Amino acid sequence: DIQMTQSPSSLSASVGDRVTITCRASQSISSYLNWYQQKPGKAPKLLIYAASSLQSGVPSRFSGSGSGTDFTLTISSLQPEDFATYYCQQSYSTRGGTFGQGTKLEIK
Amino acid sequence: QVQLVESGGGVVQPGRSLRLSCAASGFTFSSYGMHWVRQAPGKGLEWVAVIWYDGSNKYYADSVKGRFTISRDNSKNTLYLQMNSLRAEDTAVYYCARDGGEDWNYGGWFDPWGQGTLVTVSS
Repeated sequence: DIQMTQSPSSLSASVGDRVTITCRASQSISSYLNWYQQKPGKAPKLLIYAASSLQSGVPSRFSGSGSGTDFTLTISSLQPEDFATYYCQQSYSTRGGTFGQGTKLEIK
Repeated sequence: QVQLVESGGGVVQPGRSLRLSCAASGFTFSSYGMHWVRQAPGKGLEWVAVIWYDGSNKYYADSVKGRFTISRDNSKNTLYLQMNSLRAEDTAVYYCARDGGEDWNYGGWFDPWGQGTLVTVSS
């Protein structure tokens, strides 16, 4: 099974900061990597699919990069509504996908 | 607009069964694969199961294999999850989600998601 590891597990930042979250796969997954945002009590929301494709309606301050085993989600200038938990998810296997453990982004 | 609405959650004793439903609207349901994803209280996300657009393929997480069954009724635009032999560790919010691939293609990402339904397994 493919394991996904995110870092850091939690992060404190200020409005306007540039933030990067990392996701590492236990084996190469090409560009089959997706990112989600989840706010408390709400369903997750897709931000990025196929490593770097921005989902329609998602602000351009979100971007994704990487391939193989190492991936990053970058928020170029944090906004108040961006404080949430972020998850990566691999879709390399057509038999379902595994998630990273999550990164909680908090206000400093 | 695209909408997914789960139902069927509740409190159930260990060893018993429960069936979840997910009503889809706003898109051609029969053209998309569908997933179930769950989230235990205070924990991360766990993919549970996927079913192809036509029901021809179904896959499960090891943690539920042999106990849970995913199915769909394309005439009713509804996805199901039959959960048998429930355990305390199955306690979670269960979300249905549409597969990201369009026109019968498998994408492997999840968008959109329903609001979730809570299943509590407790005696």
